[in-house]
Amino acid sequence: GEDVEQSLFLSVREGDSSVINCTYTDSSSTYLYWYKQEPGAGLQLLTYIFSNMDMKQDQRLTVLLNKKDKHLSLRIADTQTGDSAIYFCAEKGGGGSYIPTFGRGTSLIVHP
Amino acid sequence: DAGVIQSPRHEVTEMGQEVTLRCKPISGHDYLFWYRQTMMRGLELLIYFNNNVPIDDSGMPEDRFSAKMPNASFSTLKIQPSEPRDSAVYFCASSLAPGLANEQYFGPGTRLTVT
Repeated sequence: GEDVEQSLFLSVREGDSSVINCTYTDSSSTYLYWYKQEPGAGLQLLTYIFSNMDMKQDQRLTVLLNKKDKHLSLRIADTQTGDSAIYFCAEKGGGGSYIPTFGRGTSLIVHP
Repeated sequence: DAGVIQSPRHEVTEMGQEVTLRCKPISGHDYLFWYRQTMMRGLELLIYFNNNVPIDDSGMPEDRFSAKMPNASFSTLKIQPSEPRDSAVYFCASSLAPGLANEQYFGPGTRLTVT
């Protein structure tokens, strides 16, 4: 079945850029998402990209999609301590299943 | 809208007891999802409903787990009898029809501890 892979941890210094990577297997993915989960809370959508795009920018966030390699990344510029959270990659396929598949999440730790 | 509402936020129970988790989706959303999150297994989809009808319950781990959606504004996830390995955070999420980019809106979760 479809699978979404992410590294489990990323540690960065405050003010640096963070890059969180994700790979997926479903070649018919139509939408790819990044969700953020803060401590003690549910997941919240950060941004998404349609599969016919290769980049999307939203303030400090840049999403890059390499559809050929099935690779998605989220770059956070000028990372702040408030960005510390778990970031989930998710993909939604076009092959009839419109239910997103989530990765296991990457814990971003921002230290001073 | 108040968002997806879950209750209780925390539940501590003894092994063998029945546990009922509750969810109120966002009004107008016709899809409802139950997830379980653990360190070992990450975020797992347990079951989802469309227009109150269960569509896919293949993620429900065992017969001890059951879910209902008696109306568009309420769903329950029941575990009977509960076991220590059921300890996890359980999330409810709702969405509009998922055929487009429509995102899932998650509740704050119920942290379940079974001793």
